[in-house]
Amino acid sequence: AQSVTQLGSHVSVSEGALVLLRCNYSSSVPPYLFWYVQYPNQGLQLLLKYTTGATLVKGINGFEAEFKKSETSFHLTKPSAHMSDAAEYFCAVIGGSNDYKLSFGAGTTVTVRA
Amino acid sequence: NAGVTQTPKFQVLKTGQSMTLQCAQDMNHNSMYWYRQDPGMGLRLIYYSASEGTTDKGEVPNGYNVSRLNKREFSLRLESAAPSQTSVYFCASSLGLVGTDTQYFGPGTRLTVL
Repeated sequence: AQSVTQLGSHVSVSEGALVLLRCNYSSSVPPYLFWYVQYPNQGLQLLLKYTTGATLVKGINGFEAEFKKSETSFHLTKPSAHMSDAAEYFCAVIGGSNDYKLSFGAGTTVTVRA
Repeated sequence: NAGVTQTPKFQVLKTGQSMTLQCAQDMNHNSMYWYRQDPGMGLRLIYYSASEGTTDKGEVPNGYNVSRLNKREFSLRLESAAPSQTSVYFCASSLGLVGTDTQYFGPGTRLTVL
């Protein structure tokens, strides 16, 4: 079985500052990892995903994440926060190519201060 | 392309009432899913449909039924609503039941059971 832990339910950053959202997973097989974003009163939108290959994954809106197998982590970063980045972010895992059920973390709400 | 659409957007029910949440996708996807989102718990899978004509239980199926009406439509029914079913419900679809296939989410239905 797979599970995801997101460290910090709320993160507040200043506009222009680094955004760092932490995600750790557990999986008995090589995982597929995802970050989704949910803007207020909207559905979830895929930011980026890691399946195989390069461990540094670039997504939309300037976000990127790095898969670190030794640390079982998939942290999300953005060098410079914009006001439009205020949203809830979810990390999710699938247990490899033979699985399809997303297991979601509890989510991290990001607020951006002017 | 509308993507994944859901109706209604909001609903208030009394305990014991029944209702059906509707979901449709226009991306010619084979697989569809129903999730519920509760504060601090991320999203949890209720039911899914690998392809037209098939449905299977997810993590939290009790109190729900589903129907895959055709390739486009996947409905979720609450036969006798309970306050514990107060939640935001999301429908999603993907090309297939493969870990690398991205799931696309609808805007959600906010359900309150009094």
